[in-house]
Amino acid sequence: EAQVTQNPRYLITVTGKKLTVTCSQNMNHEYMSWYRQDPGLGLRQIYYSMNVEVTDKGDVPEGYKVSRKEKRNFPLILESPSPNQTSLYFCASRPRQSTSGANVLTFGAGSRLTVL
Amino acid sequence: TQLLEQSPQFLSIQEGENLTVYCNSSSVFSSLQWYRQEPGEGPVLLVTVVTGGEVKKLKRLTFQFGDARKDSSLHITAAQPGDTGLYLCAGARNAGNMLTFGGGTRLMVKP
Repeated sequence: EAQVTQNPRYLITVTGKKLTVTCSQNMNHEYMSWYRQDPGLGLRQIYYSMNVEVTDKGDVPEGYKVSRKEKRNFPLILESPSPNQTSLYFCASRPRQSTSGANVLTFGAGSRLTVL
Repeated sequence: TQLLEQSPQFLSIQEGENLTVYCNSSSVFSSLQWYRQEPGEGPVLLVTVVTGGEVKKLKRLTFQFGDARKDSSLHITAAQPGDTGLYLCAGARNAGNMLTFGGGTRLMVKP
């Protein structure tokens, strides 16, 4: 089944304790992205990657890092989490260019992170 | 201030009623998408509209892209409890990388 898999789905941690949220897709997609979702704000893009070893900042990159060493994986790293990073995080992927020319994303199921 | 404003933010209606959700912006988009998200899941694409004035129908859902490609609407006819969820619009300003999402409309349809 074509899918985007995120882990962990739920995590409670404390301020300053480094954590990584993994994301893996099995669709051979070039493009991958991380979003955070907060009430009333929709989804805001954190980082995206056009292909292996190519990453760029989105709208809200502060406090996050990413890497794209392999095509299928795009982990999100919080080096020193803070309470304002408590949120619901989504990883998404798509082909480099969809046939319609539009950016059709496939999303993971989400990772709910709480930073105390 | 959000680039894409959705209204209403919350909507609670009875089964069988009709409703319209709006997605407005001062920016022009090359395409606009509507997603539906259920609790514990990621957003799932419903439709993409590309041409100004375009209307697409998906069973009881009708999507329209404004003539100037700055706004869109989603109309649901005879809503059912299964329509309950968070509806998100998302606009792309080019065929590149960035999708901008609206704040979402949380719909509850009561039996």
